[in-house]
Amino acid sequence: SQQGEEDPQALSIQEGENATMNCSYKTSINNLQWYRQNSGRGLVHLILIRSNEREKHSGRLRVTLDTSKKSSSLLITASRAADTASYFCATALEYGNKLVFGAGTILRVKS
Amino acid sequence: ETGVTQTPRHLVMGMTNKKSLKCEQHLGHNAMYWYKQSAKKPLELMFVYNFKEQTENNSVPSRFSPECPNSSHLFLHLHTLQPEDSALYLCASSRGEASGNLNTGELFFGEGSRLTVL
Repeated sequence: SQQGEEDPQALSIQEGENATMNCSYKTSINNLQWYRQNSGRGLVHLILIRSNEREKHSGRLRVTLDTSKKSSSLLITASRAADTASYFCATALEYGNKLVFGAGTILRVKS
Repeated sequence: ETGVTQTPRHLVMGMTNKKSLKCEQHLGHNAMYWYKQSAKKPLELMFVYNFKEQTENNSVPSRFSPECPNSSHLFLHLHTLQPEDSALYLCASSRGEASGNLNTGELFFGEGSRLTVL
């Protein structure tokens, strides 16, 4: 399996509900990032959490990082139809200069 | 608008054609990247340039040839491609570091070039 794997692969919720996506990785990291991609468009950076941080907030987004379990979660609170997109976690490896992306979670928010 | 512009947005080419994808960033960054995104697969890092020097070639077939004439421009030259090369090609940039450490912070992506190989 790859360095970053998101779970679930797809998620469908009602507007106003919270959406939680998880990411697991295998090797030590410098930081972990979450990106969003609307259909057929480029990726947009959402939030970066460093390996020595445990939680970070940005607006309706909350990211947690558990380095002992090598996992992260992205919580979107009070979801909106406009949050419909694919969400990717990306890990910046501790050794080596690259950002490795997972396959993404497709989120659909129904209005 | 992310400050990273890719052209063309869509490209259809035959297997014997030669074409190029272009990427330009207006963010003052020094690192630029090519990623390939195929359906239901993770983004694949293809090439990385840091201060115009290629620092990563992720076992990409030679039918893909990158060029980075300066820190603001990145090209991907395409020739004798295969149908399985059809994908969304994404360019990204980041701050980069003269020391060679890419300082893997935030990447800024372009909108992508959708390539179809017939």
